[in-house]
Amino acid sequence: AIQMTQSPSSLSASVGDRVTITCRASQDIRNGLGWFQQKPGKAPKLLIYGASTLQTGVPSRFSGSGFGTDFTLTISGLQPEDFATYYCLKDYNYQWAFGQGTKVEIK
Amino acid sequence: QVQLQESGPGLVEPSETLSLTCTVSGASITTIHHYWGWIRQPPGRGLEWIGTMYYSGTTYYNSSLTSRVTISADTSKNQFSLKLTSVTAADTAVYYCARLPYSGAGSFPDYWGQGSLVTVSS
Repeated sequence: AIQMTQSPSSLSASVGDRVTITCRASQDIRNGLGWFQQKPGKAPKLLIYGASTLQTGVPSRFSGSGFGTDFTLTISGLQPEDFATYYCLKDYNYQWAFGQGTKVEIK
Repeated sequence: QVQLQESGPGLVEPSETLSLTCTVSGASITTIHHYWGWIRQPPGRGLEWIGTMYYSGTTYYNSSLTSRVTISADTSKNQFSLKLTSVTAADTAVYYCARLPYSGAGSFPDYWGQGSLVTVSS
């Protein structure tokens, strides 16, 4: 099974910072990757799918890139409402797997 | 407005079967190119994909759970269900159902239920 390795597991940042989170797949998954934001007690929210396509209604400060095995979520200009946990999810050959998560905390 | 709602017992005894139902409103589970799935999250931990189904009956399961999981649909009620057998304390989690529309680059959950906490304990 293809494994997803997400890093870092946590980070501290300030409002206005640029934040980067990475996910690495153990095998080529083309662009079969999504990114989610989760706040405590809530269901995850889809931010990006197909590695780089912004979900409708998601602010443009969120962006995704990558293809194959290495993927990145970037938040350009962190806002107070962006402090949350972020997960990547791969879908390749009808097998899904989440990364371990990255908690973005206030510095 | 698409809505999903999980329902089922909040407490299951060890070795028994966990059963949950997801009722969908505002969308049909028979919509072409829409998949439907279950995801869980143990308290304080990360997300784990359980399985995904297509209304025709095709199912895809996490290899670590495949021997214990069944996901099925009731198209007449616009519902789909999860059964997990021989549960242990390690199956204690919030269980989410979700819609996964095919995007051309995979299928990713865009609408989720609010989640249902299931505790495995005697």
